[in-house]
Amino acid sequence: EAGVTQSPTHLIKTRGQQATLRCSPISGHTSVYWYQQALGLGLQFLLWYDEGEERNRGNFPPRFSGRQFPNYSSELNVNALELEDSALYLCASSGQEPSYNEQFFGPGTRLTVL
Amino acid sequence: DQQVKQNSPSLSVQEGRISILNCDYTNSMFDYFLWYKKYPAEGPTFLISISSIKDKNEDGRFTVFLNKSAKHLSLHIVPSQPGDSAVYFCAASDPGTYKYIFGTGTRLKVLA
Repeated sequence: EAGVTQSPTHLIKTRGQQATLRCSPISGHTSVYWYQQALGLGLQFLLWYDEGEERNRGNFPPRFSGRQFPNYSSELNVNALELEDSALYLCASSGQEPSYNEQFFGPGTRLTVL
Repeated sequence: DQQVKQNSPSLSVQEGRISILNCDYTNSMFDYFLWYKKYPAEGPTFLISISSIKDKNEDGRFTVFLNKSAKHLSLHIVPSQPGDSAVYFCAASDPGTYKYIFGTGTRLKVLA
């Protein structure tokens, strides 16, 4: 069974640009979560999508946004990039009861903002 | 304010000995806890979980203990193996929001 996939693996942008990160969940999973892991920090919750809708978001500014498509894949968009947005962005998916199912993570996209 | 804390950023243990990784949380409403292991350049992988209605869960070499009164959980790895060397994250599920809140991780190094 294929796991969670993310693309691209690495992304280099400059300040002020926009970045788009993509995630495909495990087949059958309807929930997708996005996390940011900045250097020296733990995983910070960004966004949760389920059945195409945003269910919850973490303490991040509105320039972090995303969407979930009918096939349950997801995009994370970061507008007006800032240097401190440089981080590993991880996507995870889970089944229909997210509070009791484990989240399965993808390998991440490393975003570097110059 | 960090709701899930892993106060030891790193831990070194001799192969064959016990590794104990600790995690503290502040929100008594958290009802489910998980441990993830992360190797460099890979996403975290699920290791073991525990519901708040239990105080212990065991899976092979891995045992998680939950002390609700102290708001503390720990992961025991016995015996430790060099392949266990990784960063370990504990996470807590917030039942009201379905968020998973992670600690900052503990880097475990098992010495051969």
